[in-house]
Amino acid sequence: AQRVTQPEKLLSVFKGAPVELKCNYSYSGSPELFWYVQYSRQRLQLLLRHISRESIKGFTADLNKGETSFHLKKPFAQEEDSAMYYCALLAGTALIFGKGTTLSVSS
Amino acid sequence: GAGVSQSPRYKVAKRGQDVALRCDPISGHVSLFWYQQALGQGPEFLTYFQNEAQLDKSGLPSDRFFAERPEGSVSTLKIQRTQQEDSAVYLCASSLAGQPQHFGDGTRLSIL
Repeated sequence: AQRVTQPEKLLSVFKGAPVELKCNYSYSGSPELFWYVQYSRQRLQLLLRHISRESIKGFTADLNKGETSFHLKKPFAQEEDSAMYYCALLAGTALIFGKGTTLSVSS
Repeated sequence: GAGVSQSPRYKVAKRGQDVALRCDPISGHVSLFWYQQALGQGPEFLTYFQNEAQLDKSGLPSDRFFAERPEGSVSTLKIQRTQQEDSAVYLCASSLAGQPQHFGDGTRLSIL
């Protein structure tokens, strides 16, 4: 079955602390994975995709096929990182999303 | 416009009424997607268009849901005889072929 699992509903950290948002997937083919972010009162927007291997706003994510994971990391969290984060898997043409993790960064 | 535009932003309907939700994709985007997002859940795929052709409608939950994109641009998602379980945010996304999807703000549908 094709599935994306984000085990944490809420992650609370202090400003300057490292952040890791977990994402695991189940897919029989070669996966293409994304992280989308939704800031308060804004639309869902692409944060990064694994094939581009770039760092956006200090976030990185590495695809680990052995562990079927695509965790999102940032070494030093900022208050403006507070948002809802969704991991998504491209299955054919459609995206399969996880349930999302709310990241709350406080000072 | 610069992004995907959806209207209305909010829609309240009584159970049993028909509703129509509109999506105006980014100009030039051949691919258009509809997703349904229930409270506390991630978006779930409903249907996909490439230009005017509906290539995948496997996610439509029942035959009360119907989507069209007659000229390969604007799309309409119609829900007939609405039920309370249809209450959700309906998201539209568009993309160039093989490129990441860009989402609209969504329509929040409430069925009373």
